[in-house]
Amino acid sequence: DAGVTQSPTHLIKTRGQQVTLRCSPKSGHDTVSWYQQALGQGPQFIFQYYEEEERQRGNFPDRFSGHQFPNYSSELNVNALLLGDSALYLCASRSDRADTQYFGPGTRLTVL
Amino acid sequence: GQQVMQIPQYQHVQEGEDFTTYCNSSTTLSNIQWYKQRPGGHPVFLIQLVKSGEVKKQKRLTFQFGEAKKNSSLHITATQTTDVGTYFCCMDSSYKLIFGSGTRLLVRP
Repeated sequence: DAGVTQSPTHLIKTRGQQVTLRCSPKSGHDTVSWYQQALGQGPQFIFQYYEEEERQRGNFPDRFSGHQFPNYSSELNVNALLLGDSALYLCASRSDRADTQYFGPGTRLTVL
Repeated sequence: GQQVMQIPQYQHVQEGEDFTTYCNSSTTLSNIQWYKQRPGGHPVFLIQLVKSGEVKKQKRLTFQFGEAKKNSSLHITATQTTDVGTYFCCMDSSYKLIFGSGTRLLVRP
């Protein structure tokens, strides 16, 4: 039983570009959340997807958007990249109404 | 908005010494969760506390939830080098996790 998987592992982009990160949830999980973790800080909630819709959103600009597919996998898109978007992007999955979230290994995004 | 404060920011101990990290909130928490993140890794769930005054143990780790449900602590007895990492407390708010800033534990062998 695979856990949460994310791709790619690392990514380097330049300012102004767009990026798409991908996440496959743990088997049996239908809810996917995305977090941004800057160096030396705790993860910050971006948004959560359930039943292919954005259910909750954190304090992030509209440049951050997402999608959830019928198989529960998810994408995070970031447009017009800024240097400050450089961070570890974590995906976490859970069963709806379950307490425990399982985090994936993350995608390290560097914006130059 | 809701937030949890965590202290200390760093703790450097000799192997075998004890370690404690503290988490505080200005509002009453419905629950508190603890995660561990190894260097270069991702957060791994350790435990969830729900009841006022609850104490849970996992081998050398002891987790406590305050009577007023506004604070929590994690205590590690006799640290080992495998305990190295950052320990985060977080509150589960409508399935959204709000993380503290974390306490980074370094252990000298």
